[in-house]
Amino acid sequence: GIQVEQSPPDLILQEGANSTLRCNFSDSVNNLQWFHQNPWGQLINLFYIPSGTKQNGRLSATTVATERYSLLYISSSQTTDSGVYFCAALEYGNKLVFGAGTILRVKS
Amino acid sequence: GAGVSQSPRYKVAKRGQDVALRCDPISGHVSLFWYQQALGQGPEFLTYFQNEAQLDKSGLPSDRFFAERPEGSVSTLKIQRTQQEDSAVYLCASSRRGGSSYNEQFFGPGTRLTVL
Repeated sequence: GIQVEQSPPDLILQEGANSTLRCNFSDSVNNLQWFHQNPWGQLINLFYIPSGTKQNGRLSATTVATERYSLLYISSSQTTDSGVYFCAALEYGNKLVFGAGTILRVKS
Repeated sequence: GAGVSQSPRYKVAKRGQDVALRCDPISGHVSLFWYQQALGQGPEFLTYFQNEAQLDKSGLPSDRFFAERPEGSVSTLKIQRTQQEDSAVYLCASSRRGGSSYNEQFFGPGTRLTVL
């Protein structure tokens, strides 16, 4: 099955800093999602991005499907951005395969 | 509904007890998924329904795990004779369509199961 790897595993930022999170996947995928898991455990949808670039406020994402990676950009980070960021790729059928996540801590 | 809801939010069970976890998907969503998330890890797929049909149960870890969605809406994940290794957060997700057209999955808040 598909393997999904995320980097870095941990990231500590000062408030206001920018960051880039990376997601590599082992095979071609038709679909990819980025999530933020908040401290209460809720998975919040950030982007549904099988290819191309999307932006939503301070967040943007780019997926290059032919090269099997996706990037999540966070600009002007805020303490409320803290949590775990997951990418997930579609395997056969409708099953999402998740990476291990990136733990982000933003310090004020 | 506005989002996927799950109940209970927390469940403590003694080893050997049976538990039932409920999921209410977003109204009108055809597909429903269950995932298991162990501490410090990403969610892992358990099973998938399209309407009332269970199309994939390849992720269920043992025959103690059973899921149903009899009317194609609410789903229940049942774990029989719980073991300590079943302790995890159980997440439910739904998506609008089914079949070969994949679309975005939306997750509920999860049920945190602790087996003592």
